[in-house]
Amino acid sequence: DIVMTQTPLSSPVTLGQPASISCRSSQSLVHSDGNTYLSWLQQRPGQPPRLLIYKISNRFSGVPNRFSGSGAGTEFTLKISRVEAEDVGVYYCMQATQFPWTFGHGTKVEIK
Amino acid sequence: EVQLLESGGGLIQPGGSLRLSCAASGFTFRNYAMTWVRQGPGKGLEWVSGIGGSGHTTYYADSVKGRFTISRDNSRSTLYLQMNKLRAADTAVYYCAKDGLPFYDFWSGFTDYWGQGALVVVSS
Repeated sequence: DIVMTQTPLSSPVTLGQPASISCRSSQSLVHSDGNTYLSWLQQRPGQPPRLLIYKISNRFSGVPNRFSGSGAGTEFTLKISRVEAEDVGVYYCMQATQFPWTFGHGTKVEIK
Repeated sequence: EVQLLESGGGLIQPGGSLRLSCAASGFTFRNYAMTWVRQGPGKGLEWVSGIGGSGHTTYYADSVKGRFTISRDNSRSTLYLQMNKLRAADTAVYYCAKDGLPFYDFWSGFTDYWGQGALVVVSS
């Protein structure tokens, strides 16, 4: 199975300041079809997960443009350009290149 | 508007069985692969199983293989997860999730909508 490692586990951020979350996979996420199936999900307290980014850098419908994804191969990053109060929650990276799909352990974003 | 509504959760004794349902609306259900993901209390997300649009292609996590069965009724736009031989470690909120693109029996590589979840507690 592909192991997804996220850092940091927790990220206290000042409102309006940027935040960055890293995700590393134990093997390349490039699929044989040439795509890289790396997504980022946000889970607010008491809510189900919500898709933010798919295929490394594509923002899902309705996701604010302060969220951006980047990376390639085995190293990926989610950035929030200016953190807002509604961004508090846990963020997960997920790979769907190979079954079983696997998730990072999550990064908790909280306000300082 | 896409909606996914899970039901069938509850308290069950170890060794027991339970069937979860996920009623889908707002999209052409049969055209999309579907997925079950679970989240143990205070824990992260764990992929459980996936099924293609026709129902013929299925995948399972090793932790549930041989005990859980995923299926779907496209005429009812409903996804199922039959869970047998339940263990305490299966205690979790179970989410159904819709695949991102209408690739029928193939997966798009992401899930775009998730249900609110169904809580399953396995305890004596």
